[in-house]
Amino acid sequence: GAGVSQSPSNKVTEKGKDVELRCDPISGHTALYWYRQSLGQGLEFLIYFQGNSAPDKSGLPSDRFSAERTGGSVSTLTIQRTQQEDSAVYLCASSSPSLRADTQYFGPGTRLTVL
Amino acid sequence: AQSVTQPDIHITVSEGASLELRCNYSYGATPYLFWYVQSPGQGLQLLLKYFSGDTLVQGIKGFEAEFKRSQSSFNLRKPSVHWSDAAEYFCAVATNNNDMRFGAGTRLTVKP
Repeated sequence: GAGVSQSPSNKVTEKGKDVELRCDPISGHTALYWYRQSLGQGLEFLIYFQGNSAPDKSGLPSDRFSAERTGGSVSTLTIQRTQQEDSAVYLCASSSPSLRADTQYFGPGTRLTVL
Repeated sequence: AQSVTQPDIHITVSEGASLELRCNYSYGATPYLFWYVQSPGQGLQLLLKYFSGDTLVQGIKGFEAEFKRSQSSFNLRKPSVHWSDAAEYFCAVATNNNDMRFGAGTRLTVKP
């Protein structure tokens, strides 16, 4: 596709329910990132994939959060037993394969509201 | 792991005035440095990046940034701010295997 896409764009859920957020990176981009941006806050790093593996999961806030990536493309971020403090915009980004860091291209985000 | 500090949470400048947004990084090897901008209701857009070479890099919208290794800094500048520059600005540092970290951001308000 032309850019990074994320779905859904908005998600409202009840406390205690599980949610799945999806990210479709730019075709051919091997690196994929998930960030969380709470109201008035900066970008909080969650997890980073290189291909299908996640070298760095240190940003996941708790064991209720998990992410996977299959086929080196689509990634899913799952939040189990959602809490109100999980409400935020979840951003996905991807970058092109290279031997060094390159520009990240961001998706529009999924706005999650936990009631 | 690498990290970024943006000391200023919020800056207000008058339209036409000059701007400097501060960014300090922590990383043991050669950093790859970026500035992104997030306008209200918009996604993140790359302003400029530094990989190597000339330490003064030019970006879009009249922005520039200077890499100073001795100060571990990558400050963003613009000679004359426009009202449309009001946004949130994020500095980021990456390793050579695409592992990137962002600062907390600086919110810029432009006074008429």
